[in-house]
Amino acid sequence: EAQVTQNPRYLITVTGKKLTVTCSQNMNHEYMSWYRQDPGLGLRQIYYSMNVEVTDKGDVPEGYKVSRKEKRNFPLILESPSPNQTSLYFCASHSQGSLYGYTFGSGTRLTVV
Amino acid sequence: AQSVTQPDIHITVSEGASLELRCNYSYGATPYLFWYVQSPGQGLQLLLKYFSGDTLVQGIKGFEAEFKRSQSSFNLRKPSVHWSDAAEYFCAVGARGGSYIPTFGRGTSLIVHP
Repeated sequence: EAQVTQNPRYLITVTGKKLTVTCSQNMNHEYMSWYRQDPGLGLRQIYYSMNVEVTDKGDVPEGYKVSRKEKRNFPLILESPSPNQTSLYFCASHSQGSLYGYTFGSGTRLTVV
Repeated sequence: AQSVTQPDIHITVSEGASLELRCNYSYGATPYLFWYVQSPGQGLQLLLKYFSGDTLVQGIKGFEAEFKRSQSSFNLRKPSVHWSDAAEYFCAVGARGGSYIPTFGRGTSLIVHP
């Protein structure tokens, strides 16, 4: 089944403790993105990647890092999480010029205390 | 850069009534346009998309949307709403050429009364 898999689905952590949210897709898509979703703000793009080793900042990149060492994986790294990063995170992918829209993961609910 | 506005934060309809969710975009040319639905606790699912051709687009779950260039709009419609349609709906716009990375609106929450 074609899908985007995120892990974990739920995560509670403490301020300053580094964490990684994994994202993997099995569709050989070139493009992958991370979004955060907050009430009243909709989805805001954090980072995106157009292919292996090619990443760029989205609208709200501060406090986040990403890497794209393999085509299928696009982990989101929070080096020193803070409470304002408490949010619902989505990973998404699509193929180059796909015109078919994104395929989204199921989301990761992160709480930073 | 492209942008998209969903003017309605919440919409309440009765089951069986018709529905129209508004979406306005800003882009210098004809964009790619999408509607996504997010059911509670779920990720986003693509409902329909417009790229070119017929301006009335049919999607899944009985939804349709009409691209109106003169109004820079891409409103989502359904003739008869079911209780299971209660969800968050997002309009998105993508630029032609380049990365096709879409920009999302803030979403419209649909509440369905029995």
